[in-house]
Parts: sequence; structure tokens; C-alpha cells
Amino acid sequence: KNEVEQSPQNLTAQEGEFITINCSYSVGISALHWLQQHPGGGIVSLFMLSSGKKKHGRLIATINIQEKHSSLHITASHPRDSAVYICAVSLMDSNYQLIWGAGTKLIIKP
Amino acid sequence: KAGVTQTPRYLIKTRGQQVTLSCSPISGHRSVSWYQQTPGQGLQFLFEYFSETQRNKGNFPGRFSGRQFSNSRSEMNVSTLELGDSALYLCASSPNGGGYGYTFGSGTRLTVV
Repeated sequence: KNEVEQSPQNLTAQEGEFITINCSYSVGISALHWLQQHPGGGIVSLFMLSSGKKKHGRLIATINIQEKHSSLHITASHPRDSAVYICAVSLMDSNYQLIWGAGTKLIIKP
Repeated sequence: KAGVTQTPRYLIKTRGQQVTLSCSPISGHRSVSWYQQTPGQGLQFLFEYFSETQRNKGNFPGRFSGRQFSNSRSEMNVSTLELGDSALYLCASSPNGGGYGYTFGSGTRLTVV
């Protein structure tokens, strides 16, 4: 069983829809990261969370430490949001590497 | 401020050769970690360096090695290349590991033929 599980694996939606991507983990963490990867490979860090909720523009990330679950929401989705969204965690007892989820491929159709 | 710079962006090598990839972190960041991304395995941790010392290493064979210089620039080396080493290699820069957030480079896409 993977330590970090993401769902869904693929998501196609229409422009304007509210998007939710989920991440569950089974290990003790010091932080959870949401990252975005566009075709071509570069990765952009969106959020780093250890508790609560963060918002940046149309993106919202939440984490529930007790349930070991995080969600990434995109409001008013736009075709430029199309990318792979990856959840990764920094382990509590080994803060020097990220454990990655498999990613969610999001396609927003105009 | 300048981002994380990885060179080269693309590389084609032949089986059996060796390759060296470079990563220059954000100024002031002392931690550099390396990841391999393949379609089948996703993103996997290679190793992390801090102040010229390897602090953590993933489950890769000894053909994969790295080092970090006093200016925090890091190199990774893969010897005796295999077809399965074809991947995107990403480096991440951080002040000091996961609790401080990461900035990623654009990656080096290595193709082994």
C-alpha cells in the first residue's frame, strides 16, 4: 500500500466547475505539500501545510491531521489549470525527503 | 531572485555511458534533493544533500551518486547507464529540508538509447 494516495487519478471538467482533489496518507508527517506539474516537467510548489487551511487566488488547500487527509480545491476552474497535481509529504522522522502521491491529471475543457 | 537552475535540460546518452547532471539552488538554500520521475514509477527520491553532506538516500543502486559543493551547487552522476534510467531528473532547493518548503528546477530529461 502506498504511503500517499491521491484521488481521482484523472479528472476532466468543464471550465468554471469547482474541482476537488483528495490526498490521504498513512504516515506521520511534518508537512504536506501540494505541487503542480505542467507538460514539459517543471514542478511548482503550490502549498505547504501542517494544519488548517490555506488560500492562494482560486486555489484552496485544507488538511485534517487527525484523519490524515488533505484536499486541494480549485474554484472557477480555467483551461490553464490543466496540469498534474501532486500531493507529497515530508515525514516526521525524516524531514529530508518527500514521499509522493501518484498525481491527479486534471483537464479543464473550455 | 534567481530560481533553481538545472543543466542540461535535455540529454541523450548511450547504454553504458555515464552522465553528470547539475543543479544550482536558490541563493542561500543549503539543501538540495534529487528525484527521478518515470511514467511507471512516478517520482522517487534519490538523495538529499545539506552543507556538502548526504543526509538521506533513497533506494537506488550505487550507480547513482551525488555530491554538493561549498557553494551548495549539486551534481548527480549516473554510471553505466541502462535504458531504464531514461527519466526526468528533478532537483529541489530548500533552506533546510521539508519543513521549509521546496523550490523545484525544470528538470533534466535524460534519454538512454
